[in-house]
Amino acid sequence: AQSVSQHNHHVILSEAASLELGCNYSYGGTVNLFWYVQYPGQHLQLLLKYFSGDPLVKGIKGFEAEFIKSKFSFNLRKPSVQWSDTAEYFCAVNGGHNDMRFGAGTRLTVKP
Amino acid sequence: DVKVTQSSRYLVKRTGEKVFLECVQDMDHENMFWYRQDPGLGLRLIYFSYDVKMKEKGDIPEGYSVSREKKERFSLILESASTNQTSMYLCASSFFGTGNAEAFFGQGTRLTVV
Repeated sequence: AQSVSQHNHHVILSEAASLELGCNYSYGGTVNLFWYVQYPGQHLQLLLKYFSGDPLVKGIKGFEAEFIKSKFSFNLRKPSVQWSDTAEYFCAVNGGHNDMRFGAGTRLTVKP
Repeated sequence: DVKVTQSSRYLVKRTGEKVFLECVQDMDHENMFWYRQDPGLGLRLIYFSYDVKMKEKGDIPEGYSVSREKKERFSLILESASTNQTSMYLCASSFFGTGNAEAFFGQGTRLTVV
């Protein structure tokens, strides 16, 4: 089965700083990739997804991610974070068997 | 809007009890999933189902079973609850296909086993 690694467990940034969260997956076939966000006390919501085509995908709230097939990576980026981006972020991969695997998550704290 | 509803937000059960967690989705999704979420471990897949009466083990199925008698409903069963099953349980659903469907999540059930 596919697996996902998120390298950053807790990231602390000041407002207006740039963000990059790492995500690597292991799976030999065609993958679909996702980033989800969980705000405190809320359910998981989709930020963005990659199925095919342009490897740079844009999501909601100014987030984007780049799929680099050769590196098995799907890193999440945002040029300028806001206090309201404080949340936990999860990378996920669906390897085509309809089972979706998630990483351990990255907790982002943005200081005002 | 897609709605995935879990029957309880909070549950407290005793060790050894049989526990049922229910999940219902209203979007006619073929796939349904059960995860448990623990700090530092992310979401770990317990079981998933891609059709009525079909089920597949995920990464941590031990101590759990599932039931899917109707397309919209997916139940997680803890046969004999233990304290190490204290966790947040998340249900999700998605369309079946080539794997390009996003999963929609319920609010979660926080289970405490005492």
